[in-house]
Amino acid sequence: AQSVAQPEDQVNVAEGNPLTVKCTYSVSGNPYLFWYVQYPNRGLQFLLKYITGDNLVKGSYGFEAEFNKSQTSFHLKKPSALVSDSALYFCAVRDAPRGNNRLAFGKGNQVVVIP
Amino acid sequence: KAGVTQTPRYLIKTRGQQVTLSCSPISGHRSVSWYQQTPGQGLQFLFEYFSETQRNKGNFPGRFSGRQFSNSRSEMNVSTLELGDSALYLCASSEGFSGTEAFFGQGTRLTVV
Repeated sequence: AQSVAQPEDQVNVAEGNPLTVKCTYSVSGNPYLFWYVQYPNRGLQFLLKYITGDNLVKGSYGFEAEFNKSQTSFHLKKPSALVSDSALYFCAVRDAPRGNNRLAFGKGNQVVVIP
Repeated sequence: KAGVTQTPRYLIKTRGQQVTLSCSPISGHRSVSWYQQTPGQGLQFLFEYFSETQRNKGNFPGRFSGRQFSNSRSEMNVSTLELGDSALYLCASSEGFSGTEAFFGQGTRLTVV
């Protein structure tokens, strides 16, 4: 079964500092990995994905993530955090093509960017 | 392209009633998945439909059901509502089964009283 762990409940960072949100995953085959962000009372907004190829993937709003197969990790990063980045961030995984789109999500990380 | 549309946005129901939620996927997307989001359990997969067929089902009781129509629109139904069914229900649409990402609607906030 596929699963995701996001070890921290909340990440606090000062505006302008680097932001990192951690994610480790478990799948039986090759992973498709995703990061989503959720603002209050809204749905999930896609940030970036890793399917294959370069381990460093770049996404929306200056976010990037690094896929590390040996550590089964897919940490989300942003070089300089903005107050508007304060939101709930979810890492998700699914097994590469198994004929379904079922995603397993982590519990989410609340990111608080302090002005 | 229009995004994923979920209706209604908010719903208040009484215990024991039933409810139907609707999801219109992005045009051309044939896969629709449903998720339940609660503070305690996080995001949990309910089921997925593709071309009117249920392809995958999560670990929810039989009170939770769904269907998909020929135009890819999907509905989910919850019968005999319980207080614990109060949640944000999210619908996601995907183009296929390759590496494409899922796009989520804004959700339906269901409150059971």
